[in-house]
Amino acid sequence: EAQVTQNPRYLITVTGKKLTVTCSQNMNHEYMSWYRQDPGLGLRQIYYSMNVEVTDKGDVPEGYKVSRKEKRNFPLILESPSPNQTSLYFCASSSTRTAYSNQPQHFGDGTRLSIL
Amino acid sequence: GNSVTQMEGPVTLSEEAFLTINCTYTATGYPSLFWYVQYPGEGLQLLLKATKADDKGSNKGFEATYRKETTSFHLEKGSVQVSDSAVYFCALSGNAGGTSYGKLTFGQGTILTVHP
Repeated sequence: EAQVTQNPRYLITVTGKKLTVTCSQNMNHEYMSWYRQDPGLGLRQIYYSMNVEVTDKGDVPEGYKVSRKEKRNFPLILESPSPNQTSLYFCASSSTRTAYSNQPQHFGDGTRLSIL
Repeated sequence: GNSVTQMEGPVTLSEEAFLTINCTYTATGYPSLFWYVQYPGEGLQLLLKATKADDKGSNKGFEATYRKETTSFHLEKGSVQVSDSAVYFCALSGNAGGTSYGKLTFGQGTILTVHP
């Protein structure tokens, strides 16, 4: 089954304690992305990756890091989490082989982070 | 930059009522347009898409037409069901080769509740 898997689904932690949210896709997609969802703001892109070892900032990258060492994995790292990073996070992937932007993105089920 | 504006919610309807959720966008060139649906506790699922002007996307009784002259992509359904209760997001994806390639820009989301 084609899917994007995020872990953990829920996490409550404290300010300053480094954490990593993992994301893995089994569709051999080149493009992967992280979004955060906040009430009234929709989803905003944090970082994206066009392929292995190629990453770039989205609209709200401050306080986050990513890496893309393998095609299937795209972890999101919060080096020193703060309360304003409390949010619902989604990982997504899509194929870029057609070189067009009309390929739909496949989303994971989300990770709800609470930073106290 | 690109932006998407959705009608304010929440929207509450009775079963079998007609649904319209308005969506307008601002973008350069010829973006692709999408509607995503998010059921409680789940990630986003693609509901329908349109990739060029006058295209009509449809799925599960929902429809939306890409109107370039009014920069709109309104979602409609003739007869809603309780199972349609969810959050609906309008989104656009930038042109191939552009700096916004592959990135989804989302509206703020509209909560739909359908009562029996």
